[in-house]
Amino acid sequence: DVKVTQSSRYLVKRTGEKVFLECVQDMDHENMFWYRQDPGLGLRLIYFSYDVKMKEKGDIPEGYSVSREKKERFSLILESASTNQTSMYLCASSFGTGEINEQYFGPGTRLTVT
Amino acid sequence: GQNIDQPTEMTATEGAIVQINCTYQTSGFNGLFWYQQHAGEAPTFLSYNVLDGLEEKGRFSSFLSRSKGYSYLLLKELQMKDSASYLCAVLDSNYQLIWGAGTKLIIKP
Repeated sequence: DVKVTQSSRYLVKRTGEKVFLECVQDMDHENMFWYRQDPGLGLRLIYFSYDVKMKEKGDIPEGYSVSREKKERFSLILESASTNQTSMYLCASSFGTGEINEQYFGPGTRLTVT
Repeated sequence: GQNIDQPTEMTATEGAIVQINCTYQTSGFNGLFWYQQHAGEAPTFLSYNVLDGLEEKGRFSSFLSRSKGYSYLLLKELQMKDSASYLCAVLDSNYQLIWGAGTKLIIKP
């Protein structure tokens, strides 16, 4: 079974803090993704990566950065957290490039910025 | 712009059949996914359609009409555990997934 794990289920941070969200997958997937999920909106892609040390901006990258130093790990960084970044953050991974493969999701991190 | 439309919420009775619709307008089309997401949990893959027609997988079936920009997910013999949100997502010409907001399905006994 594919397993995608995220470092925290719930996180509360203060405005201006630097926040790290970690994601690890155990299936040797090339592709990894960070989304945020807000009520009434579809999943919105923040950043994605097709390979180690490679990153691409998604639809809403502002205020975020990412790091992929190892194939299995993809980190999302909020350089200076703001209240509008309060959301559910979902990490996903998938196999292959140029192929159509389903994404496997982690359980999510519910981040509250106060 | 790109757009995926699904009903916000639907209610159905245990044992019945329900159809969840999804219409899309995207720049290109490389397939449509359906995911299930229970409250507080991760989305899980249900189906993928790239050709017109019906794909059946047990109690769940998914239909696609590319000319109409339309898909539906059909759930038969509903069980209480089917209460969840159902997410429709389209793979566009850049192989990026465009997600709908999801349909919350409530099953009543």
